[in-house]
Amino acid sequence: QQQVKQSPQSLIVQKGGISIINCAYENTAFDYFPWYQQFPGKGPALLIAIRPDVSEKKEGRFTISFNKSAKQFSLHIMDSQPGDSATYFCAARANYGGSQGNLIFGKGTKLSVKP
Amino acid sequence: DVKVTQSSRYLVKRTGEKVFLECVQDMDHENMFWYRQDPGLGLRLIYFSYDVKMKEKGDIPEGYSVSREKKERFSLILESASTNQTSMYLCASRPTGGYGYTFGSGTRLTVV
Repeated sequence: QQQVKQSPQSLIVQKGGISIINCAYENTAFDYFPWYQQFPGKGPALLIAIRPDVSEKKEGRFTISFNKSAKQFSLHIMDSQPGDSATYFCAARANYGGSQGNLIFGKGTKLSVKP
Repeated sequence: DVKVTQSSRYLVKRTGEKVFLECVQDMDHENMFWYRQDPGLGLRLIYFSYDVKMKEKGDIPEGYSVSREKKERFSLILESASTNQTSMYLCASRPTGGYGYTFGSGTRLTVV
């Protein structure tokens, strides 16, 4: 299975709150799990990424939590700010076959942080 | 600063026209990708190329073709544009063995 399932589709959070976006996958051949951030009118840009041998990675206010046994990973945005309002995509890197190295993307989450 | 440049930010074309979307990268990346982005559907892969003159179909290749004559340039072609091809089109590149994609800013195509 090549899917990466992302939820929720949209999220509204108050300024200062915690934003949590979840992703799940089925294929154990994925070997890299990035998150991309996209502002309106721009292309997605790499935000933070994790490999499956690590359970958590933190960069500033952004943290990825990774649960290998459950095949789930999530993005946590602490102290959410209006400037974090964007669409977030999770992805998984395929490490097999003709698509080796290609990313499989989730469908995206539109985050709005209210002041 | 590394770049993926898409030649047009906005494009309006008529139904039945042949449309060319151009993408150029300056990073010497082997792999290049074309996606379309629609609300609620995320990023859907149209075609990708892992080398000059090589191309592979993605998830939704119908109605599209691609051309890669030079390493830095990857073109998406809509042979006969239709209104259901109105969308945001994103180009991306990645080096072989690399992990991250670099995306362009996108071309918003409207077919009327």
